[in-house]
Amino acid sequence: DGGITQSPKYLFRKEGQNVTLSCEQNLNHDAMYWYRQDPGQGLRLIYYSQIVNDFQKGDIAEGYSVSREKKESFPLTVTSAQKNPTAFYLCASSIGGLNNQPQHFGDGTRLSIL
Amino acid sequence: GENVEQHPSTLSVQEGDSAVIKCTYSDSASNYFPWYKQELGKGPQLIIDIRSNVGEKKDQRIAVTLNKTAKHFSLHITETQPEDSAVYFCAASQNVAGNKLTFGGGTRVLVKP
Repeated sequence: DGGITQSPKYLFRKEGQNVTLSCEQNLNHDAMYWYRQDPGQGLRLIYYSQIVNDFQKGDIAEGYSVSREKKESFPLTVTSAQKNPTAFYLCASSIGGLNNQPQHFGDGTRLSIL
Repeated sequence: GENVEQHPSTLSVQEGDSAVIKCTYSDSASNYFPWYKQELGKGPQLIIDIRSNVGEKKDQRIAVTLNKTAKHFSLHITETQPEDSAVYFCAASQNVAGNKLTFGGGTRVLVKP
């Protein structure tokens, strides 16, 4: 089945540690996105990528980094500089281009501090 | 930047009744408005979307209306069922590179049997 796969489902981070969240899609989509969701709140954009080897900061990029070396993969690293990393992280993808296309989401990774 | 406000934050309805969720946006350049349904522990699922050249769109029990002049759009769910219980999010974006979505704060809908 085509879709977006996020792993792991649950992740724990120790103080001073970097952790990487995986996002893979087999929809042949050009654009990919990372969002953060805090309890009882809407989604906020961290980073997005319109094409391989290119990405831009979203609204809350500080303390995060990404790479886009392959079309199907867009991993997110939560660095030790992110002081409040506990949240639900969601990856999305879309066909891309200029004519707003629907974004489709994975089932998320829940990150907690040990 | 764009700001999207969503009301109410919680909504309790009796099974079979209708549910209405309203959103307002600030940037008149926004032209794409999707609605997502999120169940516990899952990612949001797109349920319907509308573009600015259309005033209303229906898909079975779900409809969305858009008032560009007032900069607000609404989700209508008719004949609600227990499986409609979830958190619903509205969003807005512009037709520019990146198509970044700005989300509302969400509405928790509870359908009581």
